[in-house]
Amino acid sequence: DIQMTQSPSTLSASVGDRVTITCRASQSIKTWLAWYQQKPGKAPNLLIYKASSLQIGVPSRFSGSGGETEFTLTISCLQPDDFATYYCQQYSSYSLSTFGQGTKVEIK
Amino acid sequence: EVQLVESGGGLVQPGGSLRLSCVASGFTFGDFYMTWVRQAPGKGLEWVANIKADGSEIYYVDSVKGRFTVSRDNAHNSLYLQMKYMGVDDTAVYYCAKYGPTTGPDVWGQGTTVTVSS
Repeated sequence: DIQMTQSPSTLSASVGDRVTITCRASQSIKTWLAWYQQKPGKAPNLLIYKASSLQIGVPSRFSGSGGETEFTLTISCLQPDDFATYYCQQYSSYSLSTFGQGTKVEIK
Repeated sequence: EVQLVESGGGLVQPGGSLRLSCVASGFTFGDFYMTWVRQAPGKGLEWVANIKADGSEIYYVDSVKGRFTVSRDNAHNSLYLQMKYMGVDDTAVYYCAKYGPTTGPDVWGQGTTVTVSS
């Protein structure tokens, strides 16, 4: 099974900060990685797919990079609406998908 | 507008069964894989199952194999999750999502809550 290790688990930041979240896969997933934002009581919202493609309607301050086993989600200038929990997900095969443990972005 | 609406959640006793439904609108349902994902209270997301567009291939996470069954009715734009022999660890919000060929799960329902308790 492919394990996804996401770090940090919690991140304290201020409005305007540049924020980086990392996701590591236990084996190569090429670029089959998505990033989601989730707010309390709501469904996850797709931000980035195929490691670096911005989903339609998502602000350009969100960006993704990486491939094979190392991936990064960057928020270039943190906004008040961005305080939430973020998850990575590998979808390299229809037969098995895995999420990272999540990163909660809190107000510093 | 692409929309997914889950229903069928509720309280069930350990060892019991429940059937969740997910009705899709705003896209050609029969063209896409669909997926179920769950989230236990205060925990992260867990992939549960994927079903191919025509229903011919279905994949499950190990923890639900033999207990959960995913099916779909493309004529009625509906996805189902039949859950049997349920345990307290199955307590979660269950989401259905449309699975794009390059995006992965890209549109999600609002979720339905399942509680397994005596």
